Amino acid sequence: GAGVSQSPSNKVTEKGKDVELRCDPISGHTALYWYRQSLGQGLEFLIYFQGNSAPDKSGLPSDRFSAERTGGSVSTLTIQRTQQEDSAVYLCASSLAGGPSYNEQFFGPGTRLTVL
Amino acid sequence: DQQVKQNSPSLSVQEGRISILNCDYTNSMFDYFLWYKKYPAEGPTFLISISSIKDKNEDGRFTVFLNKSAKHLSLHIVPSQPGDSAVYFCAASGWGSQGNLIFGKGTKLSVKP
Repeated sequence: GAGVSQSPSNKVTEKGKDVELRCDPISGHTALYWYRQSLGQGLEFLIYFQGNSAPDKSGLPSDRFSAERTGGSVSTLTIQRTQQEDSAVYLCASSLAGGPSYNEQFFGPGTRLTVL
Repeated sequence: DQQVKQNSPSLSVQEGRISILNCDYTNSMFDYFLWYKKYPAEGPTFLISISSIKDKNEDGRFTVFLNKSAKHLSLHIVPSQPGDSAVYFCAASGWGSQGNLIFGKGTKLSVKP
């Protein structure tokens, strides 16, 4: 079946503009995660959605970052007033269920964001 | 402070030999450890995992070893193949998190023919 898809694959924007990144998880997966990978770094957790529960936003680096998950499926990560340090690859993952016990996470190909 | 550390940014191995990738962690609450493999322009793909109640898990050419007292795990690939060339990320999950993974910075493995 289809895996996790993300769009766009690449996004170049100017500093100060807002961007929206989209994630389509695997059908039937109730848990959805956003991570980002900055150059030379590991993946950094941003936010987690599980079913209809309130999301875990503990990884969001600032209030310029927000995310929604509509209808328990598609998710949008929004970055307002982008800064150059926001440049990174943004990765979405989904799993059958969430924590605390582990469920395998399946990753999308990522969106490479470049802020000029 | 990094909770999951991969101190070797790169590793080069000859085809057919063993590749050993290392990972250290600091949080004793972690109870599940994973290795992910990442090719350029693709998302990470799950490779192998181990629960904290075990010290070894094997899957074909891949074996993960866990030393809880040393807070250390390693991934062994034998025999190494050129197609194994990728970035390998160590990750951990545990009680207190919601299943989100804590990743190391990755080790780039190059397997030379």
